[in-house]
Amino acid sequence: QVQLVQSGAEVKQPGASVKVSCKASGYTFINYYMHWVRQAPGQGLEWMAMINPSDGITNYAQKFLGTVTVTRDTSTSTLYMELSSLRSEDTAVYYCARDMTTMTNDRFAYWGQGTLVTVSS
Amino acid sequence: QSALTQPPSASGSPGQSVTISCTGTSSDVGGYKYVSWYQQHPGKAPKLMIYEVSKRPSGVPDRFSGSKSGNTASLTVSGLQAEDEADYYCSSYAGSNNVIFGGGTKLTVL
Repeated sequence: QVQLVQSGAEVKQPGASVKVSCKASGYTFINYYMHWVRQAPGQGLEWMAMINPSDGITNYAQKFLGTVTVTRDTSTSTLYMELSSLRSEDTAVYYCARDMTTMTNDRFAYWGQGTLVTVSS
Repeated sequence: QSALTQPPSASGSPGQSVTISCTGTSSDVGGYKYVSWYQQHPGKAPKLMIYEVSKRPSGVPDRFSGSKSGNTASLTVSGLQAEDEADYYCSSYAGSNNVIFGGGTKLTVL
C-alpha cells in the first residue's frame, strides 16, 4: 500500500532554514507527481510546489519562489522540501502528497502524516 | 494568485443535504475541469473526496457529489451523517503547473 512517511517536528529560529523529508513506499516513486502543501495553525491549505520525480522538474507557487526548494532522491524514494529565511508566518504543518495517477498533477490522493515546523526565537 | 472563495461555514441536520460553493476565475475553476474537493477532520491529513469536478475516488460514498458552472464549483453532501462534520477544501488547477486551494468551509452537522 502507498505510504508517505515524513520527518519529525522541527523548531527553528527566524532566518534559519529547515529541510523536511518524505519517504515514499508501496509504488514506483518516479511515476507520480509529488506536492508540498502547508497549513498554518487554524488556517486553510496552501499549495506550495510540485515535482516530477522522474526528471526532477519543479514548479513553485509564486509566493514561494526563491524561498522553497523541492528535490528528490530516486535511489531512496525520498522527497525533500527546504524552506529558507524562515519567519514566524512559516509556522505550519507541512504535508507531502502524491498525485492520483501517473498522468495528472492536480489531485492529491495520498498524504503524509504532516510535519510541524515551528519558527520561534 | 488569490485563494478560491468558499463560505467559512455550512450546516445541516442529519439526513439533509448541504452544498458548499467554491468560486474562482476563468484562469482556474472556469478554465479547467480539474477541480478537486478534500475532507479534513481535526488533526488529520486531508482526504480526496472528488476530482475532475465530479468523479469520486474508490471508497468515497456516493452521498458526495460535485458539479461546476462557469467559475463556481460545488460540493453536495446528501444524507448528512455525523461523520461528515469536517473542514472541506476545494482546489483547482490554475495553469502552468500551478494548483490553488479554497479557504475552506467548516461543515457542522446539527
